[in-house]
Amino acid sequence: DAGVIQSPRHEVTEMGQEVTLRCKPISGHNSLFWYRQTMMRGLELLIYFNNNVPIDDSGMPEDRFSAKMPNASFSTLKIQPSEPRDSAVYFCASSFDASNQPQHFGDGTRLSIL
Amino acid sequence: AQSVTQLGSHVSVSEGALVLLRCNYSSSVPPYLFWYVQYPNQGLQLLLKYTTGATLVKGINGFEAEFKKSETSFHLTKPSAHMSDAAEYFCAVRKTGANNLFFGTGTRLTVIP
Repeated sequence: DAGVIQSPRHEVTEMGQEVTLRCKPISGHNSLFWYRQTMMRGLELLIYFNNNVPIDDSGMPEDRFSAKMPNASFSTLKIQPSEPRDSAVYFCASSFDASNQPQHFGDGTRLSIL
Repeated sequence: AQSVTQLGSHVSVSEGALVLLRCNYSSSVPPYLFWYVQYPNQGLQLLLKYTTGATLVKGINGFEAEFKKSETSFHLTKPSAHMSDAAEYFCAVRKTGANNLFFGTGTRLTVIP
């Protein structure tokens, strides 16, 4: 079975550019999560969706970050404009809508902003 | 409020020795508990979970964890470490009825040949 699919795996771009990260959750999962992982701050939840609706975006660092989920099989995380401090690994995870169900993670996008 | 504390950001064990990674949680209600493993350049992979029932939970790769409510702990163990166990391990808690997970800061396990 296909797991959570993220693209691209690696992104290197210059500061000020727009960055779009993509995620395809596991089919049938109705909760989707975006995380950011850095050495300094560890794993941070940015935003999560339930049935394509954003439920909690309190972890989004600032207005430069936005996330959408236009349908059950696709989500994007956009950074515009990007800054060097946004460099991190960004993970997408999905799960069934039940608190006893685990989240399944993609392999992440390693983002470097020069 | 939910929180997870993992004691020891780095743990080293010899190959064949016992692995013990500690996790304590704080929760106002009995939570659901998870252990994840992260290998280099990969996402997090579920090792095991505790929801209800038996407090000793067995997971993949020979790992197990015991939920101890009186100690608010969910320590991860493996009787005999293998070189392939070298990775970062995360404990996570999820409140009943909630969707989001709260992760600990992780423990990096090194296995010495």
